[in-house]
Amino acid sequence: DTGVSQNPRHKITKRGQNVTFRCDPISEHNRLYWYRQTLGQGPEFLTYFQNEAQLEKSRLLSDRFSAERPKGSFSTLEIQRTEQGDSAMYLCASSQAPGRPQYFGPGTRLTVL
Amino acid sequence: AQSVSQHNHHVILSEAASLELGCNYSYGGTVNLFWYVQYPGQHLQLLLKYFSGDPLVKGIKGFEAEFIKSKFSFNLRKPSVQWSDTAEYFCAVNGGGGFKTIFGAGTRLFVKA
Repeated sequence: DTGVSQNPRHKITKRGQNVTFRCDPISEHNRLYWYRQTLGQGPEFLTYFQNEAQLEKSRLLSDRFSAERPKGSFSTLEIQRTEQGDSAMYLCASSQAPGRPQYFGPGTRLTVL
Repeated sequence: AQSVSQHNHHVILSEAASLELGCNYSYGGTVNLFWYVQYPGQHLQLLLKYFSGDPLVKGIKGFEAEFIKSKFSFNLRKPSVQWSDTAEYFCAVNGGGGFKTIFGAGTRLFVKA
């Protein structure tokens, strides 16, 4: 399968703990996106990478959130000191160029107790 | 700021009924438009896209959408739905070929067999 993969698929954590998610995009895609999706809503943009450069961060991404794409391939999203409001599905997508169709991974569902 | 509005949050149809899901967006310039679908237990996947040219675009599984620039709309249609079309449908707009794609809140379609 050469699609976008995400790990883990589910994460349950206690409030205040740190969590890290990983995304492996389609290999020939140099654009990578992170979204957050809550119940009854569409995906909300969090951040965007072109190769290893993080070019844009949404104001939704507080200081507790950080994303990296160190070698322009896989990416990680870390949430520090998790809060109950962080509970959501975190989606990763990749594309060949901006404005083009994005290919989504299965998501990581985070539950903060 | 870009925004996307999907008129119906839930739609219930019987098999063979016709489907039209409304989508309106706000953006003053050139847009790329998408419909994504999420089947139960699966990840988001592209249903169809519009970049330019013929405003009537055809996608997979018999779906089509019409871009009406004067109405800022991109409605999704299917002449005869099947039980397997039960899914959540998301309209998305990308302004000017930039990196940011904005998603609507989604429409949950349930098709009764």
